[in-house]
Amino acid sequence: SYVLSQPPSVSVAPGQTARLSCGGDYIGGKSVHWYQQKPGQAPVLIVYDDSDRPSGIPERFSGSKSGNTATLTITWVEVGDEADYYCQAWASTSGRSGVFGGGTKLTVL
Amino acid sequence: EVQLLESGGGLVQPGGSLRLSCEASGFTFSAYAMSWVRQAPGKGLEWVSAISGRDGSTYDADSVKGRFTISRDNSKNTLYLEVNSLRADDTAVYYCVKGGSGYIWGSYAESWGQGTLVTVSS
Repeated sequence: SYVLSQPPSVSVAPGQTARLSCGGDYIGGKSVHWYQQKPGQAPVLIVYDDSDRPSGIPERFSGSKSGNTATLTITWVEVGDEADYYCQAWASTSGRSGVFGGGTKLTVL
Repeated sequence: EVQLLESGGGLVQPGGSLRLSCEASGFTFSAYAMSWVRQAPGKGLEWVSAISGRDGSTYDADSVKGRFTISRDNSKNTLYLEVNSLRADDTAVYYCVKGGSGYIWGSYAESWGQGTLVTVSS
């Protein structure tokens, strides 16, 4: 089955830039989406189709892809950005499947 | 404003059944793919089932295939998930999700409900 790999944790100081990676085979040919989930809350879509932002999502959040890795970049990190972040895509190995990465816990020091 | 209100969760014994519902408002329900995504306690997200807004085609994760059935009633703006033969590892918060288009393939979860908890335990 298709796997999206995310580092379990990333730490960054306020005001710095956080880069969260999401690796997967042939990810370059897939649309990758990103979600933010704060404790006790439902996830929120923050980037879709690799690099588009829904309305209301700050420009500090951006998505990109290179090779077999998609990246969520958060500039000027704020304490309020501390959350779990999940990448997601659809895969076609052994049938179609909706796949989430395991998630990255972003800690703002 | 998109609103998704789930109901139907609860405590059920292994092997039991439930019917989850999701009442949708604030958008043209029939035009969009809808899905259920679950999250076990302290764990990550899993895309469980989806139903197209174009042709009614469905998707089920391998982990639930043959046990869960997704359906929709466009006249009632309601999404359903029949869950049968429940196991302990089905214990999770089940989120109702609105897709970004009518298609399942390539879809993203544009809007989320607050979730309904299903606990499978004897």
